[in-house]
This record gives sequence, C-alpha cells and structure tokens, in this order.
Amino acid sequence: DVKVTQSSRYLVKRTGEKVFLECVQDMDHENMFWYRQDPGLGLRLIYFSYDVKMKEKGDIPEGYSVSREKKERFSLILESASTNQTSMYLCASSSGTSGRSFTDTQYFGPGTRLTVL
Amino acid sequence: GESVGLHLPTLSVQEGDNSIINCAYSNSASDYFIWYKQESGKGPQFIIDIRSNMDKRQGQRVTVLLNKTVKHLSLQIAATQPGDSAVYFCAEPGARNAGNMLTFGGGTRLMVKP
Repeated sequence: DVKVTQSSRYLVKRTGEKVFLECVQDMDHENMFWYRQDPGLGLRLIYFSYDVKMKEKGDIPEGYSVSREKKERFSLILESASTNQTSMYLCASSSGTSGRSFTDTQYFGPGTRLTVL
Repeated sequence: GESVGLHLPTLSVQEGDNSIINCAYSNSASDYFIWYKQESGKGPQFIIDIRSNMDKRQGQRVTVLLNKTVKHLSLQIAATQPGDSAVYFCAEPGARNAGNMLTFGGGTRLMVKP
C-alpha cells in the first residue's frame, strides 16, 4: 500500500514565524504535491514537483516555497506565516514518468492542520 | 474555464439504502476520472477511477458511471453503512498542460442515518 506521511497532524505558529511542513512517501513516486484545503474553496494546489530538485507553481504559490532534495521527501515552507495561511495542508504523491502522464492517481497524506495566531 | 463540480453539497441517506453522488464536468477532453473519500480530519482516500473509454466500473460496493454525452459522473454506493459517512470528491486531469495535475470538485457530504 502507498503510504504518505506528514510530520505533524496539528501545528500552531505565530505570525511571522518560519514554518516547515514535511511530507514523505514510501513508494518511490516521482510526483509530489502540496495542497491547502479550506471550507468552501476545496483543494487548491500550492506547488508540485515531478522530480528531485524540480518544482512548479500551482494555483496559489504566493507566500510559500518548497524543497525536494530527495525523491521521497517534499517540504512546504512558509517563509513568514500569516493568519490567512491557517488551513489544512495536504500532501500527495503519484507515480509517473517525468510528470507527463495524466492518468496517475494521487495518494494523500493525513493532513496537517496549521493555525497561525 | 474548465471545472469539475457537484450537484448536491449534502446527501443524507438511511443505513442500508443505496447512495448516489453526482458530478458534472466540463472538460470533454478528460480521459480519466477519480473518486476520493475524505473522512473527517483525514486526507482524501482513493476509492475508484474510470477511464473515458468506459461507461461503468465496479469496485467493492461502489460503482462509477460515466456519461460522456452529458458530461456526468456518478458514484453509487450499495448498502450504505455508517462508515461511508464522509465527503466525496470527483477529480479529473487538470486543464493546465502539465502532467499529473488534477482538478477537484468541491465535494459532497454523505451523511448516513442509523
């Protein structure tokens, strides 16, 4: 079974803090994704990566950055957390060949609920 | 723009009855559709998928129907159980021409009454 894990289930940070959200997958998947999920807005893609050290902006990348130094790990970074970044953050991964297949199911982690005070 | 949507935001069914969750899509070029289930406080979980060259696909207690003529997708759950209570999303390949992107619907909440 595919397993995607996230470093924290719940996180509380203060405005201006630098926040790291970690995601690890154990299925040697090439593609990894970070989403945020908010009531009424559904899942919105922040960033994704289709290879080590490769990253591409999603729909809402502002205020975020990512790092993919190893294939199994994809980190989301909030350089200076703000209250409007309070949300549920979901990591996902999928297999594929250099990110050019449209038919790969994404497998999600349990989510990190981040609260920024 | 391209979108994936749902007809009903909330569906309430009696335990043991069958459930039908609907999804409308607008991208006629989509070749793949996925249904996810998300329980409270958890990440979305893959349920079943269907390719555009199929009209129907069955899993364990679930059936997905695809009607390309009217761009409609449905998820049928047989003998609904309390454990089926969750939010269900449909998803399709994203409109953006970058591999492995998915566009998600807003979700339908299924509530199962004992």
